[in-house]
Amino acid sequence: ELKVEQNPLFLSMQEGKNYTIYCNYSTTSDRLYWYRQDPGKSLESLFVLLSNGAVKQEGRLMASLDTKARLSTLHITAAVHDLSATYFCAVDNNQAGTALIFGKGTTLSVSS
Amino acid sequence: NAGVTQTPKFQVLKTGQSMTLQCAQDMNHNSMYWYRQDPGMGLRLIYYSASEGTTDKGEVPNGYNVSRLNKREFSLRLESAAPSQTSVYFCASSEVGYTDTQYFGPGTRLTVL
Repeated sequence: ELKVEQNPLFLSMQEGKNYTIYCNYSTTSDRLYWYRQDPGKSLESLFVLLSNGAVKQEGRLMASLDTKARLSTLHITAAVHDLSATYFCAVDNNQAGTALIFGKGTTLSVSS
Repeated sequence: NAGVTQTPKFQVLKTGQSMTLQCAQDMNHNSMYWYRQDPGMGLRLIYYSASEGTTDKGEVPNGYNVSRLNKREFSLRLESAAPSQTSVYFCASSEVGYTDTQYFGPGTRLTVL
């Protein structure tokens, strides 16, 4: 059974600092996704990582994938308040239709 | 394009009542999904439909039924609502392809008293 674990679950950061969110998964998977959710809102796709060593960057966020370690990281550089949200990683369960197994999410709070 | 739409946005039911959550997408996607989101639990897959005419159970299917009415629409039915089904329900869709990225609807916030 595929399990996805994120840590930390809560992260309080100061503006300008760097930090990394970790996502571990238990079995081989073809794809890993990162989503962002603002309070009371829907999920927004951030990154799709498709192969070992894949790295994607958008603004202050950079995601990477190590399929051998079954680990993805989401690195935040010089955090700003607008990055406050909940971040989810999700892994393709390799069944038809690309059903995703989600981590529990990391709630990020950035303060000045 | 509206993307993925869901109705209703909010609903309050009494225990034992039934209701159907509606979902539609205008992106011509083959696959559609229903998830529930509970505090501290992330999103959990209830049912999915890989293509028109097929449906499959996800992690937490008990107490729910689904209908893939056509390529655009995928509904979720609660036959006899229970307080444990109080949750936020998200519908999503994706196209089979290189990334298979799922696009999510705005959600339905359901309270069962």
